[in-house]
Amino acid sequence: NAGVTQTPKFQVLKTGQSMTLQCAQDMNHNSMYWYRQDPGMGLRLIYYSASEGTTDKGEVPNGYNVSRLNKREFSLRLESAAPSQTSVYFCASSELGGGNQPQHFGDGTRLSIL
Amino acid sequence: AQSVSQHNHHVILSEAASLELGCNYSYGGTVNLFWYVQYPGQHLQLLLKYFSGDPLVKGIKGFEAEFIKSKFSFNLRKPSVQWSDTAEYFCAVNSYSGNTPLVFGKGTRLSVIA
Repeated sequence: NAGVTQTPKFQVLKTGQSMTLQCAQDMNHNSMYWYRQDPGMGLRLIYYSASEGTTDKGEVPNGYNVSRLNKREFSLRLESAAPSQTSVYFCASSELGGGNQPQHFGDGTRLSIL
Repeated sequence: AQSVSQHNHHVILSEAASLELGCNYSYGGTVNLFWYVQYPGQHLQLLLKYFSGDPLVKGIKGFEAEFIKSKFSFNLRKPSVQWSDTAEYFCAVNSYSGNTPLVFGKGTRLSVIA
């Protein structure tokens, strides 16, 4: 059981390049999330999808777009990468959005923008 | 809006010392509370959660946390830490009802020395 799978694990981009981070879960969860983790800042929510067909902005959505492709997959796109987007990105999923259902996290994507 | 404060940024303890990490949240309604752990180079894993009932909850690896509603606190404790507990610890909260994602604190880095 793979849980939450993120690809790629590492990526280096030049400023202005575009990139899509992929996330897939095999737990039949309804809700999926994208976070970024920066030193001293904890995890900040970028976008989430409470259920297939819906997406909502989180705390730091600027410069990002998302697509909930189907129930399993939730991708994050950087249209024009900026150095401020250098971060570790985590995808997570939960059975339901909100409530007491814990989130399950992927291993992260370490992204560097030069 | 919900917020979570973790006052200890970095805690250094010797093996066998007792641990208490502080977590306070700001929210007017009923909440669910979580503690996650992130070992070096790994993804976040759930340690324990509280959503109702006994305010003292026990989690994995000997950790426990106590919900004190009057203090808006959910502090994490362990009687005797081990070197393997070296990690970053995150407190998180969401609304008990409704479809809201988790809000994370900025994390506390724990270093356990032999």
